[in-house]
Amino acid sequence: ETGVTQTPRHLVMGMTNKKSLKCEQHLGHNAMYWYKQSAKKPLELMFVYSLEERVENNSVPSRFSPECPNSSHLFLHLHTLQPEDSALYLCASSQGDSLNEQFFGPGTRLTVL
Amino acid sequence: AQSVTQPDIHITVSEGASLELRCNYSYGATPYLFWYVQSPGQGLQLLLKYFSGDTLVQGIKGFEAEFKRSQSSFNLRKPSVHWSDAAEYFCAMDTGRRALTFGSGTRLQVQP
Repeated sequence: ETGVTQTPRHLVMGMTNKKSLKCEQHLGHNAMYWYKQSAKKPLELMFVYSLEERVENNSVPSRFSPECPNSSHLFLHLHTLQPEDSALYLCASSQGDSLNEQFFGPGTRLTVL
Repeated sequence: AQSVTQPDIHITVSEGASLELRCNYSYGATPYLFWYVQSPGQGLQLLLKYFSGDTLVQGIKGFEAEFKRSQSSFNLRKPSVHWSDAAEYFCAMDTGRRALTFGSGTRLQVQP
C-alpha cells in the first residue's frame, strides 16, 4: 500500500450503531487530519493530530471521537450519529502540522439512516 | 474573517479550450495558497502551491496559477483542457493555524 488509505470506503449505519473509520498513512508523516466533506459545503477540518497528540478540535460534536495510537494510524469512532452527519470523511497526513502539503486518502462515504 | 471564495460552482469547457478557475481569499497577510483536484470517488490531489517568490506557479498536469496580491486572487489556468481534467477543483489557504481553509469548489465539465 502506498500513500494514505482509508477503510471502509462506504459505510451505512443506523443512528444507534457504533462504528469506526480507519486511516493509515505509509508516507512516514507525523501529522494526521480528519476532514468532513458535505454536499455543497467547503471541506471542514475536524481534528488534527501532531506527533500522536491532538492539537486541534474544531468544535466537533462528542459523537465523533478520534484516536491516534501511533503516527501511522488514525481512527474516527462514531456513535449515535444523526442523518446530517452523512458525508465523505477524508483523512490526510503531512510532514509537520502546518505549511506542508497534505496528502489525502480516498475518503469514507458515510450514510446515516 | 479568513475565507476562500470560488465564485464559479460549475464550469463547462470544450476539450482543447483554455481554462481559468477563479479563487479569491480573505486574510490580513499573504497566506500560503494551494489548488487541489478531486476526481469522482477519489481523495484530493495537490496540483500546485504558492508560498513566496515568483507569483506564477507551475504545477502538475500542465496547470499553472498566478498569485495577485492586489486582487487577493490565485486563479488556476490551463491552456488546453483534456477530457481527463473533468473533476472538482478546490482552492485552499494555510494561515499557519494547522489547518487548510478550503473554498467550496468548482466542478469542471469537459465537452468533447
